[in-house]
Amino acid sequence: AQSVTQPDIHITVSEGASLELRCNYSYGATPYLFWYVQSPGQGLQLLLKYFSGDTLVQGIKGFEAEFKRSQSSFNLRKPSVHWSDAAEYFCAVGEYGNKLVFGAGTILRVKS
Amino acid sequence: EAQVTQNPRYLITVTGKKLTVTCSQNMNHEYMSWYRQDPGLGLRQIYYSMNVEVTDKGDVPEGYKVSRKEKRNFPLILESPSPNQTSLYFCASRTAANTGELFFGEGSRLTVL
Repeated sequence: AQSVTQPDIHITVSEGASLELRCNYSYGATPYLFWYVQSPGQGLQLLLKYFSGDTLVQGIKGFEAEFKRSQSSFNLRKPSVHWSDAAEYFCAVGEYGNKLVFGAGTILRVKS
Repeated sequence: EAQVTQNPRYLITVTGKKLTVTCSQNMNHEYMSWYRQDPGLGLRQIYYSMNVEVTDKGDVPEGYKVSRKEKRNFPLILESPSPNQTSLYFCASRTAANTGELFFGEGSRLTVL
């Protein structure tokens, strides 16, 4: 069975600094990979997704992620963090069929 | 506006008192799913439905029931709630393609005393 690991439970960055959130997955075939963001009191919103092709994908709100097959990783990046980016971020792996497995999440705090 | 609507958003109940959390989507999506979110565990799938009258268990189905009589509705039923079902619940929907974006409701926070 596939699994998703987000090694960092909490991350704090200063406003304007760059951000990288880590995601490692375990899956036998080429995975479908997603990043979702959850603002306080809200549901989850899709930031970006990867299915095939270019391994660097662009998403909403200035986020990007890079799929690295050799490292089984799909890290999320943003060059300059804004205070409004404070939220919880979830990496997810789509299994063939209909299952989506989520990581435990990373809570991002932004210092002003 | 495209949305997934859950009700109630907040509920406190007592052990053994049957309850239903409703979920409705207005996007004509075939696929619907229920997740529970617990600290440190992320989101875990409870049940999902590929289409009307088709439902299947996710990772943590014990203590829950679902039904899909209409395409737009996918209620979650707790026949006899227990304290370990205290959690934040999310309903989500998408098109049939499993590469599609999941659209989430705003969540229902359930407390079972």
